[in-house]
Amino acid sequence: GESVGLHLPTLSVQEGDNSIINCAYSNSASDYFIWYKQESGKGPQFIIDIRSNMDKRQGQRVTVLLNKTVKHLSLQIAATQPGDSAVYFCAEYGWGKLQFGAGTQVVVTP
Amino acid sequence: EAGVAQSPRYKIIEKRQSVAFWCNPISGHATLYWYQQILGQGPKLLIQFQNNGVVDDSQLPKDRFSAERLKGVDSTLKIQPAKLEDSAVYLCASSLELAGVDTQYFGPGTRLTVL
Repeated sequence: GESVGLHLPTLSVQEGDNSIINCAYSNSASDYFIWYKQESGKGPQFIIDIRSNMDKRQGQRVTVLLNKTVKHLSLQIAATQPGDSAVYFCAEYGWGKLQFGAGTQVVVTP
Repeated sequence: EAGVAQSPRYKIIEKRQSVAFWCNPISGHATLYWYQQILGQGPKLLIQFQNNGVVDDSQLPKDRFSAERLKGVDSTLKIQPAKLEDSAVYLCASSLELAGVDTQYFGPGTRLTVL
């Protein structure tokens, strides 16, 4: 989703449930997409990436889906755990550089 | 493998003062990046180095910001003079090769507060 100023979109999810984080990207020519996780006081940490010639890629407990038709990216986290609480950013590689979206705050509740 | 190191972790200065940040990338990584992350936003690229040469500094406010990467390893980012709107986290990242599709690994960042 979009964020305005300091107001990050927030996803509240119960521990053990699946999380879905959505992202719209802007450059139809982007050929590489990455999801990063950023915990408070830390730098972004690579989670998973996907090339534009793929629709889906799976990692450990995470799946990224790419829909180029509507320029949409999603990150699915299976069996969400307290350690998954963080801000999640999608990033697209386009115009010769990595461009980050605004981020989504994920809060895991017991 | 050691990650990207940055110092200091926190810095508080008054406007019009100068400040410098230091970054040591992952050993062997040719490409180094400086990003600015304003609270509530994603990181924005300021400058990209390939070894000790500048690849992209199109978004660096060159009237007050400067960066160098002597010897193609460590890098410093300087702000002189600082403005209130420079308050942000400054992130350093590195990647193995020049190609932008290579995974970038981020340091913990330096949180700058300008009063």
